[in-house]
Amino acid sequence: AAGVIQSPRHLIKEKRETATLKCYPIPRHDTVYWYQQGPGQDPQFLISFYEKMQSDKGSIPDRFSAQQFSDYHSELNMSSLELGDSALYFCASSARDRPTGELFFGEGSRLTVL
Amino acid sequence: GEDVEQSLFLSVREGDSSVINCTYTDSSSTYLYWYKQEPGAGLQLLTYIFSNMDMKQDQRLTVLLNKKDKHLSLRIADTQTGDSAIYFCAGFQKLVFGTGTRLLVSP
Repeated sequence: AAGVIQSPRHLIKEKRETATLKCYPIPRHDTVYWYQQGPGQDPQFLISFYEKMQSDKGSIPDRFSAQQFSDYHSELNMSSLELGDSALYFCASSARDRPTGELFFGEGSRLTVL
Repeated sequence: GEDVEQSLFLSVREGDSSVINCTYTDSSSTYLYWYKQEPGAGLQLLTYIFSNMDMKQDQRLTVLLNKKDKHLSLRIADTQTGDSAIYFCAGFQKLVFGTGTRLLVSP
């Protein structure tokens, strides 16, 4: 079965650069979530989109932005990168009409800021 | 806001049962979930329980939910070395994760 696809899997950037992460949800899933997981930390919710509109916002820095496109894929844009942005970034998708509501996660994009 | 707590580490021997506990403050979630994360990998949904249930069994996994005490547990029977991972409970409004319990299974 198709899973959530994230790209790139690994990304190395320098401070003050920008980075873009992409997420392709499971087909027919209408909701996308972004999480940030620092080393040894639990995943922290950043932002979510339902039907291309922002549905919820968590601890996403102002330097970050995200959007969901008409094909339901989502991109997380990170600017003015800081060392502390080094983390594993997970995308998850779900189907709003699925009663159990579980999220399906991608394998993550590991961002290293030097 | 939501607060989810788990013990950080659990070490068991292969073949033993493992019990991972989770306490939470927000009881508005319809479903509560257990996710497993292997090193460097994404989170894999293990099982979930409907908030109106108090127990769910799924092969080697048993989930117990005590809504009164806001306590969720995951029991893994006949724990194997392949079960070594970090286990997160989750649910609630924005799918807030617990701090994760690192399960180490020794032969």
